[in-house]
Amino acid sequence: NAGVMQNPRHLVRRRGQEARLRCSPMKGHSHVYWYRQLPEEGLKFMVYLQKENIIDESGMPKERFSAEFPKEGPSILRIQQVVRGDSAAYFCASSPAVISYNSPLHFGNGTRLTVT
Amino acid sequence: GENVEQHPSTLSVQEGDSAVIKCTYSDSASNYFPWYKQELGKGPQLIIDIRSNVGEKKDQRIAVTLNKTAKHFSLHITETQPEDSAVYFCAAGKNTGGFKTIFGAGTRLFVKA
Repeated sequence: NAGVMQNPRHLVRRRGQEARLRCSPMKGHSHVYWYRQLPEEGLKFMVYLQKENIIDESGMPKERFSAEFPKEGPSILRIQQVVRGDSAAYFCASSPAVISYNSPLHFGNGTRLTVT
Repeated sequence: GENVEQHPSTLSVQEGDSAVIKCTYSDSASNYFPWYKQELGKGPQLIIDIRSNVGEKKDQRIAVTLNKTAKHFSLHITETQPEDSAVYFCAAGKNTGGFKTIFGAGTRLFVKA
C-alpha cells in the first residue's frame, strides 16, 4: 500500500513564477492536509480538503495561494507569483474518510520549494 | 487561537539516558495528541499517540503522558540510542470533520554515543 506521494521532491522557481505542488493521498484516504515548514521551524497548518471541498483554509495566506482536491487526480497546492519568502518545505498528509481514533495523519516526504 | 508550545527546542543526551519533551496546548476541545519523528529530508512519521480519555500510554521505549486539566502532555524516551536522534513534534488535534492538527515547533534531539 503506497504511502502519501508528493511531487516534485524539489522545485526551483524564479520570483514571479508559479509553483504547483502535487499530492496523492494514501489509498482509501479522502482527506488531504497541507502544511508548510520553514527551515528550523515547525509545521504550520495551511489547509485541509476533502474531494471537491475545502474544509478549513484558515492557515492559507489570503493572496497568491490556493488549493484544490478534484474528484479525480491529486490535490494541488498552487502558489502564484512566488516570492523568496515562499521558500520552504511543503508537506501533504492524508487521513481516511471515516474519522476515528485510529486515523492519524500520514505524511509524504514533502516538496522543497526554492525561490531564486 | 489554537496553539501548541513545545520545550526544549534542543535536547542533547548521552546514549542510554532518558529524554523528556514537554508540550502544552491552548484549545480545550483538543482530544487527540500524536507525536511525530522527522528525520532529515523526510516527512514526519507517527511514533505514538494518546487520546483524551487516557492518561498514559507506553510502547517499548516510548511513553506519553497527558494531563488534560493542566493541558500538558509529554514524551519520554528511555534507553536512548543514536538512531533516536531526530526532530520530534508534538501535536494537538480535534475532530472537526477531519482531524485538524496543530503542531509544536519541534525538539531537535541529539543522542551522543
